[in-house]
Amino acid sequence: DAKTTQPTSMDCAEGRAANLPCNHSTISGNEYVYWYRQIHSQGPQYIIHGLKNNETNEMASLIITEDRKSSTLILPHATLRDTAVYYCIVISLGRGVGNWGLIFGQGTELSVKP
Amino acid sequence: GAGVSQSPSNKVTEKGKDVELRCDPISGHTALYWYRQSLGQGLEFLIYFQGNSAPDKSGLPSDRFSAERTGGSVSTLTIQRTQQEDSAVYLCASSLGPPKNTEAFFGQGTRLTVV
Repeated sequence: DAKTTQPTSMDCAEGRAANLPCNHSTISGNEYVYWYRQIHSQGPQYIIHGLKNNETNEMASLIITEDRKSSTLILPHATLRDTAVYYCIVISLGRGVGNWGLIFGQGTELSVKP
Repeated sequence: GAGVSQSPSNKVTEKGKDVELRCDPISGHTALYWYRQSLGQGLEFLIYFQGNSAPDKSGLPSDRFSAERTGGSVSTLTIQRTQQEDSAVYLCASSLGPPKNTEAFFGQGTRLTVV
């Protein structure tokens, strides 16, 4: 599976956009980019995923570079409740038997400050 | 239920005792995952089920750990002869699984304390 690299921590001012980068330079053609987050003392929560096109949902936007070697998760108007560890994960589609690849790295600890 | 349910939510056990942790996935979800999270640490992958079979057991820390899943639904994670280093939050997740490759939903975890 492709590995991902994320900054250990980031700060963001409340109300501003939070842009969380992820490098996945060894990603292959059938691998998706998934983002999850874990708020303190809770289980991880799915945010968004994409293959090659940019994606947007009610929580966030995902921008994937044209070469797919990196992506950015954007929280457009960060709130204090967005303080969490954000995980970028690369997952293969339809692998069937074998590890489906939902392996979490260390993630980025985002602190949203008033 | 609507979400992934884990029981018990908290478990305190004496060193050397066996414990069983239970996970009820979302109905229809074929993929089921177990993770362990020690205090202040990241998510450690333990095992993955596709249906009732576990194609990947590489994450189980030792032979004291085992897991099974029956009827493609409920899963139990068993830890034999518990040690203090087994103290952690054990998280379960389920998803529709490949090839749909959709989001995984997590339970709230079982906090295990070995004293």
